[in-house]
Amino acid sequence: AQSVAQPEDQVNVAEGNPLTVKCTYSVSGNPYLFWYVQYPNRGLQFLLKYITGDNLVKGSYGFEAEFNKSQTSFHLKKPSALVSDSALYFCAVREGSSGTYKYIFGTGTRLKVLA
Amino acid sequence: NAGVTQTPKFQVLKTGQSMTLQCAQDMNHEYMSWYRQDPGMGLRLIHYSVGAGITDQGEVPNGYNVSRSTTEDFPLRLLSAAPSQTSVYFCASSPAYNEQFFGPGTRLTVL
Repeated sequence: AQSVAQPEDQVNVAEGNPLTVKCTYSVSGNPYLFWYVQYPNRGLQFLLKYITGDNLVKGSYGFEAEFNKSQTSFHLKKPSALVSDSALYFCAVREGSSGTYKYIFGTGTRLKVLA
Repeated sequence: NAGVTQTPKFQVLKTGQSMTLQCAQDMNHEYMSWYRQDPGMGLRLIHYSVGAGITDQGEVPNGYNVSRSTTEDFPLRLLSAAPSQTSVYFCASSPAYNEQFFGPGTRLTVL
């Protein structure tokens, strides 16, 4: 069965410093990987995705993520954090085999950027 | 486009009552799903649909029913509400193999 792990409940980083939010996954076929962000009392917003191609994926608001097949990871990164990046971040995986449409989410990581 | 809409935004039920959470999308997306969000547990998939007339169970389907008679609508029915169903419910839609678009959520409290 597919699964996603976000090992950190919270990540604290100073404004201007680089940030990393970790995600590892487990699927039986090729993974489709996604990052979403949730601001307080809002729905989730899509940030970026990996379907195929370059392992480094660039997304919205300056975020990027690196797909590492050997480590089954898809960590979210940003070179310089902003206070406005503070939010709840979710990693999700969809198994790529046809007919399997389940998107499974991690438990979320709360990012706190300190001024 | 309105995107994904959900009604109501807030709801309080008594144990044993039934209700339907509404979800609609105007993007002609094939895939729709329902999640519940609970503190420390992330989003858990309740039910999903890959097209009109086709639904399937997710991780936590017990106590919930769905149907998909049209591409646009995907209502979630609570047959007999229990306090354990107190949660925030999100509906989402997507084209196949692509990112999901989420609604604003319904905050449900069961007393």
